[in-house]
Amino acid sequence: DAKTTQPNSMESNEEEPVHLPCNHSTISGTDYIHWYRQLPSQGPEYVIHGLTSNVNNRMASLAIAEDRKSSTLILHRATLRDAAVYYCILLSSGTYKYIFGTGTRLKVLA
Amino acid sequence: EAQVTQNPRYLITVTGKKLTVTCSQNMNHEYMSWYRQDPGLGLRQIYYSMNVEVTDKGDVPEGYKVSRKEKRNFPLILESPSPNQTSLYFCASSPVKGVGFDTQYFGPGTRLTVL
Repeated sequence: DAKTTQPNSMESNEEEPVHLPCNHSTISGTDYIHWYRQLPSQGPEYVIHGLTSNVNNRMASLAIAEDRKSSTLILHRATLRDAAVYYCILLSSGTYKYIFGTGTRLKVLA
Repeated sequence: EAQVTQNPRYLITVTGKKLTVTCSQNMNHEYMSWYRQDPGLGLRQIYYSMNVEVTDKGDVPEGYKVSRKEKRNFPLILESPSPNQTSLYFCASSPVKGVGFDTQYFGPGTRLTVL
């Protein structure tokens, strides 16, 4: 199975953009890239997902490298409520298995 | 309210005593899944189910069983729990919209301690 690699932690100032990187160099052509976040004492919540093209939604943007070996989750203006652990995940469209990375803990400074 | 519920939320048990953690969703989702979360290891998928009577192993299925007799329920069964199964467990469900899937909705978690 492919795996993802993320930095353990990152810091950002409030109201500034945040770029959370993820490496998935062993991704297969049919694996989808999903991002979830987990707030303290809660279950993970969906943020965004994509396959090849960049994606935008009300929460974030997902930039996928042309070779698909890496991706970046972009929070356009970080708020204190965005402090969470962000997981980069691969979903195999063949097996329907989710492979979670170990996550990046984002700290947002006021 | 659309939700995934898990019971119990907290459980302390002893080695070898069979237990079941229930999971139920009211969103008519086809896909359901169980994960365990351990410090430093993130979330790992235990089992998943694409629909009724269809289940498959995730990354860490050893020591667990599941069943999917009804679309809304997906219980996790530990026939003979051991201390290394002490963990935080999450159930999740998702509609299946094409191949990329859609949002997984997670339950609140069940904290299990096996003595």
